[in-house]
Amino acid sequence: AQKITQTQPGMFVQEKEAVTLDCTYDTSDQSYGLFWYKQPSSGEMIFLIYQGSYDEQNATEGRYSLNFQKARKSANLVISASQLGDSAMYFCAMSEGFTSGTYKYIFGTGTRLKVLA
Amino acid sequence: DAGVIQSPRHEVTEMGQEVTLRCKPISGHDYLFWYRQTMMRGLELLIYFNNNVPIDDSGMPEDRFSAKMPNASFSTLKIQPSEPRDSAVYFCASSLGRGGFTEAFFGQGTRLTVV
Repeated sequence: AQKITQTQPGMFVQEKEAVTLDCTYDTSDQSYGLFWYKQPSSGEMIFLIYQGSYDEQNATEGRYSLNFQKARKSANLVISASQLGDSAMYFCAMSEGFTSGTYKYIFGTGTRLKVLA
Repeated sequence: DAGVIQSPRHEVTEMGQEVTLRCKPISGHDYLFWYRQTMMRGLELLIYFNNNVPIDDSGMPEDRFSAKMPNASFSTLKIQPSEPRDSAVYFCASSLGRGGFTEAFFGQGTRLTVV
């Protein structure tokens, strides 16, 4: 079963506008972490933002914010004031396995974002 | 810190040859992960280690794949014999154990092409 679901294979956004990338997750753990990574065309994986399952406030990092809705099991990434350099692949990830005492990161299939000038 | 270091960055090999990918995690990190990225299957977790001990290798596709972590600063992923379908980008990542409440840091990846 898919643990991390990203339903938008590709998206377009106009420069300077905000965009929301969707992510839903599936876990029975009470403790978990949610992450977003950016992968530009150069290929590296860049960490953007983190949200813990016990955090009550949505995480923010500069122009990135994570819209965490625990009951709906969603962790959407919001990018405000899009820039051309935001064009990349974006991955949602979850850390799981706390009940076993170790943990691992599971990734979604990604959303390719294209920012239009 | 220099970050997670992978070598080589690119590898082209012939089918049937042995391939060894190398990874140096960030100093002090106690988790190390090997991922494979392809267009068809996305980012797959192959195996991960905690304190140099393999925890879960259920993602390793076949017996042709093996991974070791002889010490805290070095890990290898070996494919023997290699096949064209092994062509992919292989990432190594490390993280500091805080119950999963911290991000994984990725290396630059090794792009493997098997011809």
